[in-house]
Amino acid sequence: EVQLAESGGGLVQPGGSLRLSCAASGFTFSTYTMYWVRQAPGKGLEYVSAISGNGGSTNYAKSVKGRFTMSRDNSRDTLYLQMGSLRAEDSALYYCVRDRMTMFAGIIASDSFEIWGQGTMVTVSS
Amino acid sequence: DIQMTQSPSSLSASVGDRVTIACRSSQDISTFLNWYQQKPGKAPNLLIFGASSLQTGVPSRFSGRGSVTEFTLTISSLQPEDIALYYCQQSYSMPYTFGQGTKLEIK
Repeated sequence: EVQLAESGGGLVQPGGSLRLSCAASGFTFSTYTMYWVRQAPGKGLEYVSAISGNGGSTNYAKSVKGRFTMSRDNSRDTLYLQMGSLRAEDSALYYCVRDRMTMFAGIIASDSFEIWGQGTMVTVSS
Repeated sequence: DIQMTQSPSSLSASVGDRVTIACRSSQDISTFLNWYQQKPGKAPNLLIFGASSLQTGVPSRFSGRGSVTEFTLTISSLQPEDIALYYCQQSYSMPYTFGQGTKLEIK
């Protein structure tokens, strides 16, 4: 069964850091573009970042660029989001997402967001 | 960034009704448009990709159409289990932006 399982969320003070992880199973992890999408409580979905299959290409929303770093370890089938200089507005449920289609290893070219994890909650507050 | 605008923001309809949700993009995105359903407390679920292709396992009462900047999601006969939030999303260019969502309720 194809699954994504996020972990690493929690309460962090403004200005602090946190690293989210997403363990993938049931598919060939390295052949898919992966994403992070977040949802603040009671709000809509917000694209955060994307990474190509080989990890060589990344893309970030303007709201997190320069503060967040997305990476992957294909030997461990694991996705990461290193979050720094956290702000109250970063508080959200963070979803790990897999694209519907396989893609050339170094390219980010989305088809659609097919597989979603259950999410991990990040709360930024003093 | 490409802006995605959905209408209406909320919608109340009766079981059996035909329901249509609209989505407009701020620039030409061809048919790189996807629709998602999100039920309370759950992760979003892909319904439609490429503007009109039904995702495997999604009931045939859901359909999508449109191109360029104007798109619609239609439920041909509303069922109680269709109560949810619906989001459109463009996959034409990064960042892959979402619409603000449409809340569908039963009248």
